[in-house]
Amino acid sequence: DGGITQSPKYLFRKEGQNVTLSCEQNLNHDAMYWYRQDPGQGLRLIYYSQIVNDFQKGDIAEGYSVSREKKESFPLTVTSAQKNPTAFYLCASSMPGFPSTDTQYFGPGTRLTVL
Amino acid sequence: QKEVEQNSGPLSVPEGAIASLNCTYSDRGSQSFFWYRQYSGKSPELIMSIYSNGDKEDGRFTAQLNKASQYVSLLIRDSQPSDSATYLCAVNIGSTLGRLYFGRGTQLTVWP
Repeated sequence: DGGITQSPKYLFRKEGQNVTLSCEQNLNHDAMYWYRQDPGQGLRLIYYSQIVNDFQKGDIAEGYSVSREKKESFPLTVTSAQKNPTAFYLCASSMPGFPSTDTQYFGPGTRLTVL
Repeated sequence: QKEVEQNSGPLSVPEGAIASLNCTYSDRGSQSFFWYRQYSGKSPELIMSIYSNGDKEDGRFTAQLNKASQYVSLLIRDSQPSDSATYLCAVNIGSTLGRLYFGRGTQLTVWP
């Protein structure tokens, strides 16, 4: 089955810790995205990557880092510099380039809680 | 400023009624428009995509796009309690391929 997987589903972080959220897709999509969602809020873009070994900051990149070493994988690290990381994190992928193929598909999400 | 605005909710309709969800966007150059449904605690799932002015129907769902008015809407006919969710409008704004901007969502409740 084609799709996007995220792990873990739930993650707990202690103050001062870095944690890494996994995102894998087998849709053969070029582009991948990380969003953050807070209660009652829309999705805010953290980072995105349109090709392997390249990525760009979104609107709220401070305190986060990413890598894109493989087409299928786009892990997100929440660093200790992110002061309020408790949120629902969503990974998405798409095949941008044509309006008919630029739909973003989402993984199931990771819920991160700071203890 | 790149903005996507949705009508403030929550919206409550009786079962069988038509639910109307609205969205406006700031960039006249936008090409792609999406409606996602998000159940509580779950990730967004695509309901409709629309790229041309006019209506697009898929089952009980109809998306309407008016680029001149910078307006996109979603109509849900014969609403069911299972339609109760938050609906997110997403628009591509600006020249960055693939990047979408999301509205804050409209929470819909369909009561039996």
